[in-house]
Amino acid sequence: KQEVTQIPAALSVPEGENLVLNCSFTDSAIYNLQWFRQDPGKGLTSLLLIQSSQREQTSGRLNASLDKSSGRSTLYIAASQPGDSATYLCAVAGGADGLTFGKGTHLIIQP
Amino acid sequence: KAGVTQTPRYLIKTRGQQVTLSCSPISGHRSVSWYQQTPGQGLQFLFEYFSETQRNKGNFPGRFSGRQFSNSRSEMNVSTLELGDSALYLCASSWGDRPSSYNSPLHFGNGTRLTVT
Repeated sequence: KQEVTQIPAALSVPEGENLVLNCSFTDSAIYNLQWFRQDPGKGLTSLLLIQSSQREQTSGRLNASLDKSSGRSTLYIAASQPGDSATYLCAVAGGADGLTFGKGTHLIIQP
Repeated sequence: KAGVTQTPRYLIKTRGQQVTLSCSPISGHRSVSWYQQTPGQGLQFLFEYFSETQRNKGNFPGRFSGRQFSNSRSEMNVSTLELGDSALYLCASSWGDRPSSYNSPLHFGNGTRLTVT
């Protein structure tokens, strides 16, 4: 059974810092990995999707990498802003069980 | 383009009752999947549909059921509600025919917050 772990569970940093969120998964037989953000009381917003054949994806200040063989992904946020405060979720798609999500990293960017 | 719409946003039910939640996917999306989110378990997969057919089902009891209509709109039903069913229920749609497998990102609605008392 696929398990997804996100480290750290919570992170608080001053505005302007670059930061890295980590995601690991136990079964490397995945189709893709997605990063989402969730604001309080809201649904999930898709940030980046990395196909299993890709190594990384970039969108603006966000960069996500994927090392399928080692079961790891990182989300890099450059020049963090208070508006980046949210919970960041990593999810892997392995086929029959929908997406398997990690518990998320709760990020606070201090102004 | 309108996003995924879930109704109602909030529901309060008592134990033993049943509830139906509704989801309208993004126009053109034919795949719909449902997830339950709780503080303890996080996000857990319930089921997914494509073209009115249930493709996969998560590890939930038979009290949880769903369906998809010809216009891709979907409903999920929970019968004989238990206190532990209190959660945020999220619906997601995607363009691809296998929302969890292929290269189409999922687009989520804002969810239905169900409280069982």
